[in-house]
Amino acid sequence: DVKVTQSSRYLVKRTGEKVFLECVQDMDHENMFWYRQDPGLGLRLIYFSYDVKMKEKGDIPEGYSVSREKKERFSLILESASTNQTSMYLCASSLYPRGPYNEQFFGPGTRLTVL
Amino acid sequence: ELKVEQNPLFLSMQEGKNYTIYCNYSTTSDRLYWYRQDPGKSLESLFVLLSNGAVKQEGRLMASLDTKARLSTLHITAAVHDLSATYFCAVVGADRGSTLGRLYFGRGTQLTVWP
Repeated sequence: DVKVTQSSRYLVKRTGEKVFLECVQDMDHENMFWYRQDPGLGLRLIYFSYDVKMKEKGDIPEGYSVSREKKERFSLILESASTNQTSMYLCASSLYPRGPYNEQFFGPGTRLTVL
Repeated sequence: ELKVEQNPLFLSMQEGKNYTIYCNYSTTSDRLYWYRQDPGKSLESLFVLLSNGAVKQEGRLMASLDTKARLSTLHITAAVHDLSATYFCAVVGADRGSTLGRLYFGRGTQLTVWP
């Protein structure tokens, strides 16, 4: 089974803090994704990566950065957390860019609260 | 940019009844996914629909895809309480982002099944 893990299930931070959310997948997947999920808005893509050290902006990259130094690990960084970044953050991975195997597998999520 | 619309966004139904959730998308795509999310949990893949006319069934859920109409349906037969969850459809787009495995998500349908 594909396993995608996230470093924390719940996180509480203060405004202005630098926040790191870590995601690790154990199935040698090429692609990794970070989403945020807010009530009524569904999933919105923040950043994704299709290879080590590669990254692409999603729909809402402002206020976030990412790092992918190793294939299995994709980190989301909030340089200076703000209250409007309070949300559920979901990491996902997929095997190939195209073909039937680009189904995305999701981690358990990190519920971040910024006070 | 590809837009994905689901309706209804909220669905309350009695056990034993049938209903259909609709997923429309705005540009060409040949691949569509349905995911389920239980409260407080992550997304779990239900179906992958790969071609026009594809139909998949699992228990009381049946999904279909009409690529010409840009429409997928998720049909619920004789609903039971265990089906209560939020259901998302997600579509692979035809832009550069899709070549990197990007999915576009609908806002989700929150289904509640009551006795």
